Amino acid sequence: QKEVEQNSGPLSVPEGAIASLNCTYSDRVSQSFFWYRQYSGKSPELIMSIYSNGDKEDGRFTAQLNKASQYVSLLIRDSQPSDSATYLCAVIDSWGKLQFGAGTQVVVTP
Amino acid sequence: EAGVAQSPRYKIIEKRQSVAFWCNPISGHATLYWYQQILGQGPKLLIQFQNNGVVDDSQLPKDRFSAERLKGVDSTLKIQPAKLEDSAVYLCASSHNTDTELRAVYEQYFGPGTRLTVT
Repeated sequence: QKEVEQNSGPLSVPEGAIASLNCTYSDRVSQSFFWYRQYSGKSPELIMSIYSNGDKEDGRFTAQLNKASQYVSLLIRDSQPSDSATYLCAVIDSWGKLQFGAGTQVVVTP
Repeated sequence: EAGVAQSPRYKIIEKRQSVAFWCNPISGHATLYWYQQILGQGPKLLIQFQNNGVVDDSQLPKDRFSAERLKGVDSTLKIQPAKLEDSAVYLCASSHNTDTELRAVYEQYFGPGTRLTVT
């Protein structure tokens, strides 16, 4: 079983709609969770961090964490073509190591 | 604040040759990481430094990969000899401080990466 699992996509989202990305993790001890955005040919860019159960909002992005279900999600509201990218979920494991999922490709269609 | 710097951005070598990558972290960041990202996968940690000491190198193929951070600032990752399966993007990242009570220690910021092609 992989440490961090994401649907690979592509997730096709109409412009202006909400994109919903999901991530599950296996290490129950994990306390720190991150979403990175990676454009094609570029390096990962940190867009959200979340440490407590519940929702955290930053602009058009909302991260949701449920530690009991070992589940973290990212919502992108009012999706724009510039949001087209691969979104990587990352989790700090019990060894303090950042474990990445394989990423979900999002395609926002005009 | 300047970001993480890496060079070169691209490198093409033949198998069995050697190659070196350089990274300069964000100023003041004590922790430096080297990752390997194969196409279609998430980054995989190769080695983590805290100042000039190695914290974790459990996934570094030590028969061919080596890394150093002698003065606790910039770092070099070397591959010798390279294999075809080493073709990947090598990413350097850094994080702010070493106090694990502060959550910012886990927020890692990546450089632009070096795309290595081994033929």
